Formats: sequence, C-alpha cells, structure tokens
Amino acid sequence: DSGVTQTPKHLITATGQRVTLRCSPRSGDLSVYWYQQSLDQGLQFLIQYYNGEERAKGNILERFSAQQFPDLHSELNLSSLELGDSALYFCASSVAPGQGQFFGPGTRLTVL
Amino acid sequence: DQQVKQNSPSLSVQEGRISILNCDYTNSMFDYFLWYKKYPAEGPTFLISISSIKDKNEDGRFTVFLNKSAKHLSLHIVPSQPGDSAVYFCAASGNSGGSNYKLTFGKGTLLTVNP
Repeated sequence: DSGVTQTPKHLITATGQRVTLRCSPRSGDLSVYWYQQSLDQGLQFLIQYYNGEERAKGNILERFSAQQFPDLHSELNLSSLELGDSALYFCASSVAPGQGQFFGPGTRLTVL
Repeated sequence: DQQVKQNSPSLSVQEGRISILNCDYTNSMFDYFLWYKKYPAEGPTFLISISSIKDKNEDGRFTVFLNKSAKHLSLHIVPSQPGDSAVYFCAASGNSGGSNYKLTFGKGTLLTVNP
C-alpha cells in the first residue's frame, strides 16, 4: 500500500460525458502528479501540482483539467469524453518535486 | 519522440539467476532515474532510484547502474524470484524546459521468472 488513494476504482460512462477522478496523496506529500496509461502509449504524464499550484503540464488535452485543494487532495476533471479517453489514470505523490513518486492504484475509465 | 526507451518488451529468466533490465535515454537534462515495478490492475511501485552524480545504487537484491556517457541504465535483480515477475518501467526526471520533475517513462519490460 503506497498510501496514495484514488476513487473511484472503476468508472464506466458514455461519450460526451464529464467525470471527476479524485486522489488523496500520502500524508505529508505536497506534490501530486497525474498520469494516463493507455494500451499503446504507456504511462504519460499529464499534470503536476505542488502545494496547490500547478507546477508542470504534460500531454494534457484542453478537455481535461485538474486542481489541488488546500487539504492537498487533487481532482482530475475529464469532459466531452471520447472513446480514446478510455485508459487507466494514475495519481502519484511525493514530498517535493524531484523525489521518488508513489503511485495510487489507479482509476480505470471506460468510455462507451 | 521517445526520450526513454526500453527496447526489450519481455525477458524470461530462471529462478535464482540474474535478471538484467535495460533502459536508454536521449535527454541529457535528465538527472534522476527510477525503476518501477507494476503488477496488473495495480499502480506502479517504486523500486530503486539513482541520481546522475552516481554510477551505482544498491538495495538488497536490486542494483541500478548508470552509464551517463552512453545514456544507459540497467537494473540487476539477483537472485531472481518468481514473485519478481511483473512489468518493470524505467523512468527519468530532470529540469527540462520548465517541466520540472515530471517522470518520463519507458514502455516497460515484462519480466517472467520461471520456477
């Protein structure tokens, strides 16, 4: 158990819909990272927050957004969902940027 | 543009022998390298890391070697055990173009340790 929690574990929705994925980092970790793992692309970095502020952006679509709240939990919002958005979404946390990241169990999103 | 490459999609090893997993990178700004292990339906688990100022880091059965001139790192598992069977991801981070400390992952190597 990495100490990072993610909800829900599974999510099935339809194209065009909007979903919110939630992540609680390990106690004391200030950095939260979101990654997408699809079958052919491997693990792709989406976005990073540090103590409530956006720190880095990766291959994140404009339809996707995220935020980190004062209690340090983070939410990833995916809107206007397409079939190709079906993937595993992982959240990771670390004490500070640059240190090893600890991953949650992931949310499996299926868009039908 | 794949900056971290794991050219072997799979590796099969006998129990008790050494497993060597390889990784190459292209971005010279990377200064921190990590190995993760992943079982199906679980998140990646951090195994071991190495800073670019070192060429070797050891933790129990796991040793990571870094050859900066060749932009190559490897993970050695000795002795290999059936429970080591999983997908192993190589990852790298560094302050590159403002994208501070995101991890760039390779596509993974599936290790199978046969009893």
